[in-house]
Amino acid sequence: SQQGEEDPQALSIQEGENATMNCSYKTSINNLQWYRQNSGRGLVHLILIRSNEREKHSGRLRVTLDTSKKSSSLLITASRAADTASYFCATDGRDSSYKLIFGSGTRLLVRP
Amino acid sequence: GAVVSQHPSRVICKSGTSVKIECRSLDFQATTMFWYRQFPKQSLMLMATSNEGSKATYEQGVEKDKFLINHASLTLSTLTVTSAHPEDSSFYICSARVTSRTDTQYFGPGTRLTVL
Repeated sequence: SQQGEEDPQALSIQEGENATMNCSYKTSINNLQWYRQNSGRGLVHLILIRSNEREKHSGRLRVTLDTSKKSSSLLITASRAADTASYFCATDGRDSSYKLIFGSGTRLLVRP
Repeated sequence: GAVVSQHPSRVICKSGTSVKIECRSLDFQATTMFWYRQFPKQSLMLMATSNEGSKATYEQGVEKDKFLINHASLTLSTLTVTSAHPEDSSFYICSARVTSRTDTQYFGPGTRLTVL
């Protein structure tokens, strides 16, 4: 079963604006990862944040993690049309199985 | 970075036939591989964990006799959809865990299965 939910389910913004996506999960985790998926394609790994980290940056991406609230957010700054894709968070639980459980995803549309 | 391939990328088959999908780690050894299924506009659902040299571990609700998994080597896992039906039509994605780095998984490009 899925670990949690993401919101919004869909987001439409203008090129140049920032996009924020949120992810909530249910159980204790080792780390949380964000992936991007273009329509009909495989997953591209964006960023990993460990349970003892609160914030991480990579280029135009900023990820936060609040383990007390079991939530994470992904911020894409200065969005581009090429950022149009679905974004998923995935959690790696503490059961040593290394399984990734994915959130429901956010479909982002960046209008040129 | 590490590369995972899947073959075929697309397959169309008739109802009742079996389809085999291969997942290969091209430049690293993968003790563990995972198989996911994704329906249109939905998220990835973990189907099973494939461990080299041992039986796969299936998630609740996934029929192990229908989705046969074989992880015969450190670079190859196969998923066979037996007696496929139209409701098995989906996007199947594998991932491989780098043995030396437990928190890193690399995903294949996916296989689109259409059962007529």
